[in-house]
Amino acid sequence: QKEVEQNSGPLSVPEGAIASLNCTYSDRGSQSFFWYRQYSGKSPELIMSIYSNGDKEDGRFTAQLNKASQYVSLLIRDSQPSDSATYLCAARVGRDDKIIFGKGTRLHILP
Amino acid sequence: GAVVSQHPSWVICKSGTSVKIECRSLDFQATTMFWYRQFPKQSLMLMATSNEGSKATYEQGVEKDKFLINHASLTLSTLTVTSAHPEDSSFYICSARVVMGLANEQFFGPGTRLTVL
Repeated sequence: QKEVEQNSGPLSVPEGAIASLNCTYSDRGSQSFFWYRQYSGKSPELIMSIYSNGDKEDGRFTAQLNKASQYVSLLIRDSQPSDSATYLCAARVGRDDKIIFGKGTRLHILP
Repeated sequence: GAVVSQHPSWVICKSGTSVKIECRSLDFQATTMFWYRQFPKQSLMLMATSNEGSKATYEQGVEKDKFLINHASLTLSTLTVTSAHPEDSSFYICSARVVMGLANEQFFGPGTRLTVL
């Protein structure tokens, strides 16, 4: 069964520090990976997508992909209280473009 | 990112009634849309894949006769929960696939919270 695994947290990080979120996936054939942010009671919002090994930076966010280790991470620099949310890691699996989600990591930025 | 809308944003209904939820892509055409369900403190679970002009593909364990999906146009997919029961109360979220060059991403609607009494 194809799965995406995340630590549920909560992960508490002081304001201004770097928050590091991690994810592993089971399907070696997956080529596309995503990080979504979900506030309580709201739907997920796409933050980053990454398709190649290495780092991808967008503002305060950096996604990292290591296909050999089947590992995806998200770094949030200069963490702000507004970054407090649940972060969902997702992977596209199979040929029909389905995206499966991890259970999410709750991030709490401490003011 | 691309904008996806859902209507209604919340609905309360009596047990045994049917509820229709609409999902629209506002500024793009979506040949493929997806329907998810999320129970409290759980992750998103894919229910079905909706393709314009063809039958939806349902995930294992999802009753196609209970959750009717219609994707009649490139900007609209609907999910009808038939004969709803309290256990169907959940947060239903649609997403639309956007393909731009090498990027192939999904953008989510705001969700519909269904409460069945």
